[in-house]
Amino acid sequence: EAGVVQSPRYKIIEKKQPVAFWCNPISGHNTLYWYRQNLGQGPELLIRYENEEAVDDSQLPKDRFSAERLKGVDSTLKIQPAELGDSAVYLCASSPWMSGEQNTGELFFGEGSRLTVL
Amino acid sequence: QKEVEQNSGPLSVPEGAIASLNCTYSDRVSQSFFWYRQYSGKSPELIMSIYSNGDKEDGRFTAQLNKASQYVSLLIRDSQPSDSATYLCAFYSALGRLYFGRGTQLTVWP
Repeated sequence: EAGVVQSPRYKIIEKKQPVAFWCNPISGHNTLYWYRQNLGQGPELLIRYENEEAVDDSQLPKDRFSAERLKGVDSTLKIQPAELGDSAVYLCASSPWMSGEQNTGELFFGEGSRLTVL
Repeated sequence: QKEVEQNSGPLSVPEGAIASLNCTYSDRVSQSFFWYRQYSGKSPELIMSIYSNGDKEDGRFTAQLNKASQYVSLLIRDSQPSDSATYLCAFYSALGRLYFGRGTQLTVWP
């Protein structure tokens, strides 16, 4: 079974440029997460989708960040314009469980997209 | 106050020793606690989950939970160099959000 696929793995851009990250979750996983991980820190949730609905986006900086999961499968996270402080690894994860369901709590992470903003 | 606090580390132990990793959390309502392992340059992977007070053992790993003290720990017995990684404590909040600690970097030297 294929895991969570993310692209690109690495991206270097200059500040004020736009950037987009793509994620394809494990087949059948209804819940998709975007996390940001800064160097030396744990992952921090940006947005969580259940199917195509964003059920938790309170930590997404909406002035410059946007995300979509139009058909409830793959997802795109966009930053426009990028700032120096956006340099981080952007992790996508998926799980087969939805809110209120009994679950093991396991999230399946992709390899991440490392962004460097110069 | 951050939702999850971990002993900052880094932690360095010799091969064969016991490594002890600790974590405190702020949400008294949380019922689910997890330990993820993250190798350098890789993504996190779940290694232990614990839901009730007491100990849970899985091979060389033991997770301990004390809800009254809002404390969870991970013990790694007979540590191996392959255990060298960053260990992330995590828990689900009442809102269903999975919070991660900043992680403790463990090095096991031969």
